[in-house]
Amino acid sequence: GDSVTQMEGPVTLSEEAFLTINCTYTATGYPSLFWYVQYPGEGLQLLLKATKADDKGSNKGFEATYRKETTSFHLEKGSVQVSDSAVYFCALSDLYSGGGADGLTFGKGTHLIIQP
Amino acid sequence: DTEVTQTPKHLVMGMTNKKSLKCEQHMGHRAMYWYKQKAKKPPELMFVYSYEKLSINESVPSRFSPECPNSSLLNLHLHALQPEDSALYLCASSYPTDRVTEAFFGQGTRLTVV
Repeated sequence: GDSVTQMEGPVTLSEEAFLTINCTYTATGYPSLFWYVQYPGEGLQLLLKATKADDKGSNKGFEATYRKETTSFHLEKGSVQVSDSAVYFCALSDLYSGGGADGLTFGKGTHLIIQP
Repeated sequence: DTEVTQTPKHLVMGMTNKKSLKCEQHMGHRAMYWYKQKAKKPPELMFVYSYEKLSINESVPSRFSPECPNSSLLNLHLHALQPEDSALYLCASSYPTDRVTEAFFGQGTRLTVV
């Protein structure tokens, strides 16, 4: 079956540091890949996505590139802020053809703490 | 409008109670989902409705009963729950197509079973 592996943390960084959160996946088909962010007490928000190999998703200074050859989708940000403190989930969806949806497969989540 | 609205935000119920969680979206999405999330864990898929028909049930106990009255609404009926069912229940929606699009999540219902 499909699976997503990501570093669990917590990851603690100082403000303005460079961020990388690693994510690798295993899928039977050709998945689409996502990063979601969850702030304390809230639901999940889509941060960025990529639907095919070499696509780069970007949003709010975060970036991730779909690397089929290494089955990876690492999240990066050049300069983190205290407000980026949250839990980040890497996820994939591997739809069957003909319509329908089978939900998301999530990694375990990475708790990011940014100190001023 | 990219919102998925869940009510109530918080719910405390006894093990003999019957309650319902509600979810609503007006994005024209035809796939809707219930997820359960325990503290410090990723969301776990419970149910998927596609075009108002139940398409996936991830072996969820029968004390959880989903319902999709129309393409905008999704309910989760609860009865005879156990304390271990206490969790954040998340609703999500998306377009079901032959290529996936992103799922939009609601803010969740924090359920406590006493």
